[in-house]
Amino acid sequence: DSGVTQTPKHLITATGQRVTLRCSPRSGDLSVYWYQQSLDQGLQFLIQYYNGEERAKGNILERFSAQQFPDLHSELNLSSLELGDSALYFCASSLESEPGELFFGEGSRLTVL
Amino acid sequence: KNQVEQSPQSLIILEGKNCTLQCNYTVSPFSNLRWYKQDTGRGPVSLTIMTFSENTKSNGRYTATLDADTKQSSLHITASQLSDSASYICVVSSDRGSTLGRLYFGRGTQLTVWP
Repeated sequence: DSGVTQTPKHLITATGQRVTLRCSPRSGDLSVYWYQQSLDQGLQFLIQYYNGEERAKGNILERFSAQQFPDLHSELNLSSLELGDSALYFCASSLESEPGELFFGEGSRLTVL
Repeated sequence: KNQVEQSPQSLIILEGKNCTLQCNYTVSPFSNLRWYKQDTGRGPVSLTIMTFSENTKSNGRYTATLDADTKQSSLHITASQLSDSASYICVVSSDRGSTLGRLYFGRGTQLTVWP
């Protein structure tokens, strides 16, 4: 158990809809990272937050947004969903702003029909 | 361009055999390199971390090597077990002094161990 909690574990929705994925980092970790992993693809970095502030942005679509709250949990919002958004979405946390060891959650599997 | 390339893309071995996975990178400036193991449908878990001055590091049956001159790393698995079946991901961290201190992920090597 990495200590990182993601909900929901599975989500099935339709095209055009909006979903929110939630992540609680390990106790004491200030950084949260979001990654997308499509079928048979590598992990694609989406965005990082550190202590409530956006720290780094990767290949995140404009339809996607994220935030980190004062209690350090984070949410990833995906809107106007398309079939191609079906993927595993991982949250990871680390203690510092610069990436050290990442502790990954178990992922949220999103299926868009 | 900062990249991490892993080979082979997939590998099938028999239980009890050894195998070696490769990771070549062009990330600069270099800070460290980690190998992660990702079981199917699960989150990756760190196996080892290699810094610039380290050549070899072991974690049980896993041994990672790093050649910082040629920018190559390998992960050697000895006496493979069925539970070793997973994707092994090489992740290179750029130096803290860089703008973002980014992580660069390889696409992973899918290892299958057959009984």
